[in-house]
Amino acid sequence: IAGITQAPTSQILAAGRRMTLRCTQDMRHNAMYWYRQDLGLGLRLIHYSNTAGTTGKGEVPDGYSVSRANTDDFPLTLASAVPSQTSVYFCASSLTGWNSPLHFGNGTRLTVT
Amino acid sequence: DAKTTQPNSMESNEEEPVHLPCNHSTISGTDYIHWYRQLPSQGPEYVIHGLTSNVNNRMASLAIAEDRKSSTLILHRATLRDAAVYYCIVQGGSEKLVFGKGTKLTVNP
Repeated sequence: IAGITQAPTSQILAAGRRMTLRCTQDMRHNAMYWYRQDLGLGLRLIHYSNTAGTTGKGEVPDGYSVSRANTDDFPLTLASAVPSQTSVYFCASSLTGWNSPLHFGNGTRLTVT
Repeated sequence: DAKTTQPNSMESNEEEPVHLPCNHSTISGTDYIHWYRQLPSQGPEYVIHGLTSNVNNRMASLAIAEDRKSSTLILHRATLRDAAVYYCIVQGGSEKLVFGKGTKLTVNP
């Protein structure tokens, strides 16, 4: 069982470029999430989706967009990357949007130059 | 405002029990207490969660104070693989999990 698959594993991106981070889960979980992790700041929620077809904003949504066209996939798009978006990005999923354990991927390390 | 308070770091010796404390003095009656851990270069991993009663699973035990204002994650026999950052999270209603800075656990051989 793969669980959560994130791609790419790492990426160096020029400022101003568009980038989509991919996330796929094979657990048929309803809810999915994107977090970013920065040194000294812990994990912060960017966007989430409680079920296919719906999305919501987390703590730090600016500069990011998401879509949830189906249950398995939850891509995160940076329309025009800026250096402050340099971070490690984690995708997660849970069976429901409340009180069920989150399963995390191994992250995408993104550097915006 | 932080919902939980944890020590920044703790040390333990291999094969000894570890008690990781967490204070959540503003917890409300329907808030759940979750624990996750993050090993180096990996995503966070679910450990355990509970509401009022103590909980046990294959990874750890969760001891919740009677007034629910604090809890303790217990690793019964620490191994080197348990060295990680441990996050205590209080979640209410439909809130999403908010991760603080956690406790960095060092396990000495």
